[in-house]
Amino acid sequence: DAGITQSPRYKITETGRQVTLMCHQTWSHSYMFWYRQDLGHGLRLIYYSAAADITDKGEVPDGYVVSRSKTENFPLTLESATRSQTSVYFCASSDWGQGYNEQFFGPGTRLTVL
Amino acid sequence: AQTVTQSQPEMSVQEAETVTLSCTYDTSESDYYLFWYKQPPSRQMILVIRQEAYKQQNATENRFSVNFQKAAKSFSLKISDSQLGDAAMYFCAYRSAGGGADGLTFGKGTHLIIQP
Repeated sequence: DAGITQSPRYKITETGRQVTLMCHQTWSHSYMFWYRQDLGHGLRLIYYSAAADITDKGEVPDGYVVSRSKTENFPLTLESATRSQTSVYFCASSDWGQGYNEQFFGPGTRLTVL
Repeated sequence: AQTVTQSQPEMSVQEAETVTLSCTYDTSESDYYLFWYKQPPSRQMILVIRQEAYKQQNATENRFSVNFQKAAKSFSLKISDSQLGDAAMYFCAYRSAGGGADGLTFGKGTHLIIQP
């Protein structure tokens, strides 16, 4: 499917377990982003990537790890999940160059940590 | 760091009427972009309208328009002829114009209710 996809769409896990959320885009966009959405906070940037093998921290990176070995994939890993990481996670991508470079969002993954 | 403030957690409007959602932001930058996103119950983030800070003219997209006041750091969204399908969360967002790697800074959102 063309566009940006996330998997799984829903995930329930337990405290202390490792969880990986997947993000895949078919546009060959250079930039990719991970956000989390919590009630009362809007969306907050976790990590972003400007290209394969280039990643950097956003506003709330603690407890998360990212990698980007291929341009089209940007997985987000919770190495030891905590209840405070219960949230909805959005992946986004955008092209590069002059202009506003619209970010296109995936459908989101709802993660529950018990 | 930039901040975005949406002071109205919830707004309600009668169908076919006009509603304005407020957004203020704080930045020391002179060049940036502002956005309004719509998030319906499906959770999908949908770009409604954008504004480049260097443009004085307010952006318009069909029934949606903005009132951009750069000096006041204000960026409100006006929805005319409200429709039931406009019911959603609306988020104001800011991005630096430094390049595509800049993430968006979001406000906390306004829940818009459309009364039939």
